[in-house]
Amino acid sequence: EDKVVQSPLSLVVHEGDTVTLNCSYEVTNFRSLLWYKQEKKAPTFLFMLTSSGIEKKSGRLSSILDKKELFSILNITATQTGDSAIYLCAGTLNAGGTSYGKLTFGQGTILTVHP
Amino acid sequence: DTGVSQDPRHKITKRGQNVTFRCDPISEHNRLYWYRQTLGQGPEFLTYFQNEAQLEKSRLLSDRFSAERPKGSFSTLEIQRTEQGDSAMYLCASSFTGTSSRGYTFGSGTRLTVV
Repeated sequence: EDKVVQSPLSLVVHEGDTVTLNCSYEVTNFRSLLWYKQEKKAPTFLFMLTSSGIEKKSGRLSSILDKKELFSILNITATQTGDSAIYLCAGTLNAGGTSYGKLTFGQGTILTVHP
Repeated sequence: DTGVSQDPRHKITKRGQNVTFRCDPISEHNRLYWYRQTLGQGPEFLTYFQNEAQLEKSRLLSDRFSAERPKGSFSTLEIQRTEQGDSAMYLCASSFTGTSSRGYTFGSGTRLTVV
């Protein structure tokens, strides 16, 4: 059965700190790993990682995938209170051709940033 | 409207009643997914459609759950004879089958409370 495990499950930091969130996966016929930020409602897309070793960056957030070791990390530098949220990672599989399959989510990391 | 819409946003029902939720995906997306999320957990896959065909259904989904996508556009998820354990956020997502750098788009969810 496909499995995605995130660590830590929760993290409390102060504004300005740098955090690293971890995600390991076991997904049959793996295609991509995705990171989402979830506040009170729908998960919002952060990154999709398909190739190993290529860092994706968006502002203070960055992420990288290691397909050999089956894990990914999400880094947030200079954290702000607005970064407080649940961060979800999910693996998706090949579903034929260029098609993506369902997402298998980890349990999430709850990040709390204090002023 | 460029997002995924779900209706209703909240539903409170008595145990034993039937409930139905609706999801309107992004119009050009041909895949539609249903997930369930309980407090402190990541979203759990329930089922997904490509156009009107239901391609996969989770083994965790009991016979009380049924989903349809009759014309390949909107979808409904029905839960019959609700139980307190059905209380959760029900999320809908849509995607292309082809390559997409943004992956999946989620709706804001329907929060079900069974009393």
